[in-house]
Amino acid sequence: ETGVTQSPTHLIKTRGQQVTLRCSSQSGHNTVSWYQQALGQGPQFIFQYYREEENGRGNFPPRFSGLQFPNYSSELNVNALELDDSALYLCASSLNGGNSPLHFGNGTRLTVT
Amino acid sequence: QKEVEQDPGPLSVPEGAIVSLNCTYSNSAFQYFMWYRQYSRKGPELLMYTYSSGNKEDGRFTAQVDKSSKYISLFIRDSQPSDSATYLCAMSLNFNKFYFGSGTKLNVKP
Repeated sequence: ETGVTQSPTHLIKTRGQQVTLRCSSQSGHNTVSWYQQALGQGPQFIFQYYREEENGRGNFPPRFSGLQFPNYSSELNVNALELDDSALYLCASSLNGGNSPLHFGNGTRLTVT
Repeated sequence: QKEVEQDPGPLSVPEGAIVSLNCTYSNSAFQYFMWYRQYSRKGPELLMYTYSSGNKEDGRFTAQVDKSSKYISLFIRDSQPSDSATYLCAMSLNFNKFYFGSGTKLNVKP
């Protein structure tokens, strides 16, 4: 069974730039959720994708956007990066529109300078 | 007020001790309760999952949910140095959105 994989593992960007993070879900899982984890904090829900559509969104501005592909993989895009966007971005997969606990990847560490 | 409150620790115990980790929450509608373990530079790993109130045991781990008090606990028996990590509680109404505590850092000393 293949777990959740994320790329890249680390990324450094400048304020105002745009970034794309990628995620492959665990085999058999068709739902992908994205979370932001600031240092010393718990993960915060960004959004969830199921059947290639957004299936719930947290309290994040529209410059955070996503996609899900037919093979269930997903992208998180962040435009106009701000210093506060520096965090660990976690992708998690689950079953059937989120009808099961989350299984996380190891995340992408984003640093905005 | 945060949806989920968790003591950040750090909690330091000797090897073999029983560890008690706790979270309180404010939303009485939460139905699903999870505990995750997160090692440094890794993603959270699912340890335990319970639905509604009650206890669940899995090896050295026991999860308890008291919905009347809005309080959940994770007990670790015979703690090992390899249990040293940050423990995150999480809860959800319907699995669509999870609310996490800020994590408790546990150090088990040999």
